[in-house]
Amino acid sequence: QMQLVESGGGVVQPGKSLRLSCAASGFSFGYFSMNWVRQAPGKTLEWVALISYDGSKTSFADSVKGRFAISRDNSKNTLYLQMNTLTTEDTAVYFCARDTGGDTSLFDPWGQGTLVTVSS
Amino acid sequence: DIQMTQSPSSLSASVGDRVTITCRASQSIYSSLNWYQQKPGNAPKILIYAAANLYSGVPSRFRGSASGTDFTLTISNLQPEDFATYFCQQSFSTPYTFGQGTRLEIK
Repeated sequence: QMQLVESGGGVVQPGKSLRLSCAASGFSFGYFSMNWVRQAPGKTLEWVALISYDGSKTSFADSVKGRFAISRDNSKNTLYLQMNTLTTEDTAVYFCARDTGGDTSLFDPWGQGTLVTVSS
Repeated sequence: DIQMTQSPSSLSASVGDRVTITCRASQSIYSSLNWYQQKPGNAPKILIYAAANLYSGVPSRFRGSASGTDFTLTISNLQPEDFATYFCQQSFSTPYTFGQGTRLEIK
């Protein structure tokens, strides 16, 4: 079955960097756009970034633009999120999600999430 | 950016009840509206896509509808497993945006 597994979360000091990974299995990873979505404790979901199936196009939320980078390695079925200059506002559970794309774009499946805590 | 205004923020209901959750988009998004269910400690799961289409495996008691920029999720005959938080999401354009969520609690 389709599965996404995030890793790389943890506790990091403000101003530091962290890289998240998302390993995909059970579907043709290289055919789909992928997203990162985050959820601060007790808050709603916030879309963070999108990358096209081949990595040629990316898009970011204003809140992370210029600090975060999204990339993928289709040979390894893995999605990445490089997070730089982290602030306490970036504390959240980070989910990766497959984007079905096209006219009926939806996010499915989602990973289980990885917690990033930015704290001194 | 497209704003999604979701209401109510919380809702109490009993097993067997019918409930309605609404989302209003700040501009036209046509039918690019999805509904997700999230239970504590878990990732969201897709319920309804393109405003009114039931995702595979989702019980038929879940129904989505649309009227202009107003979107509705209706859950009929509430079951114990339906008590969760529900989010709408517009997939019309980036930045994709979610509603604030509706927490459905057992009365």
